[in-house]
Amino acid sequence: DIVLTQSPALAVSLGQRATISCRASQSVSISRYNLMHWYQQKPGQQPKLLIYRASNLASGIPARFSGSGSGTDFTLTINPVQADDIATYYCQQSRESPPTFGGGTKLELK
Amino acid sequence: EVQLVESGGGLVQPGRSMKLSCAASGFTFSNYGMAWVRQAPTKGLEWVATISYDGSSTYYRDSVKGRFTISRDNAKSTLYLQMNSLRSEDTATYYCTREGLETLDYWGQGVMVTVSS
Repeated sequence: DIVLTQSPALAVSLGQRATISCRASQSVSISRYNLMHWYQQKPGQQPKLLIYRASNLASGIPARFSGSGSGTDFTLTINPVQADDIATYYCQQSRESPPTFGGGTKLELK
Repeated sequence: EVQLVESGGGLVQPGRSMKLSCAASGFTFSNYGMAWVRQAPTKGLEWVATISYDGSSTYYRDSVKGRFTISRDNAKSTLYLQMNSLRSEDTATYYCTREGLETLDYWGQGVMVTVSS
């Protein structure tokens, strides 16, 4: 299985930039497609898709969210961070079965 | 608006069975693959099973193979997860998800399953 590694937590100030990383144990890219995706989960809620195929904003997601990366290293950026963004963020790969998730990064206020 | 509404969870004893349902609306159910993802209390997300749009193909994580069965009724726009021989490690919130954009683009609110004596 492809293992995805995320830092457990990140502290950030409101209005600043947050950069959340995800590293895969092997490449999750096929040709020009980077099969890494990002979800946001607030306490007591279901996960919500933010970014698909590494850099594409899902429907209804604010433009302060962006994604980048290829191969094994990917980044989710939130700029500027707002109070409503305090949540846990998960990366997920669909390059190989089984689909796997990172352990999640909890975004906290500094 | 896409809606996925799970039901059927609760408390069950180890070794017993439980069947989850997911009622879908707001899209053409028969056009999409569907999946179940679970989350143990205070833990991360774990894919459980996937079924193709027409039900002809199914896939399972190793730890549930032979115990869980994913199925669907396209006429009723409903997804199911039959869980047999339940173990304490199956305790989790189970989410019904739609496969789209090469990922899981919509999620239900989740249903809690607690396996305990």
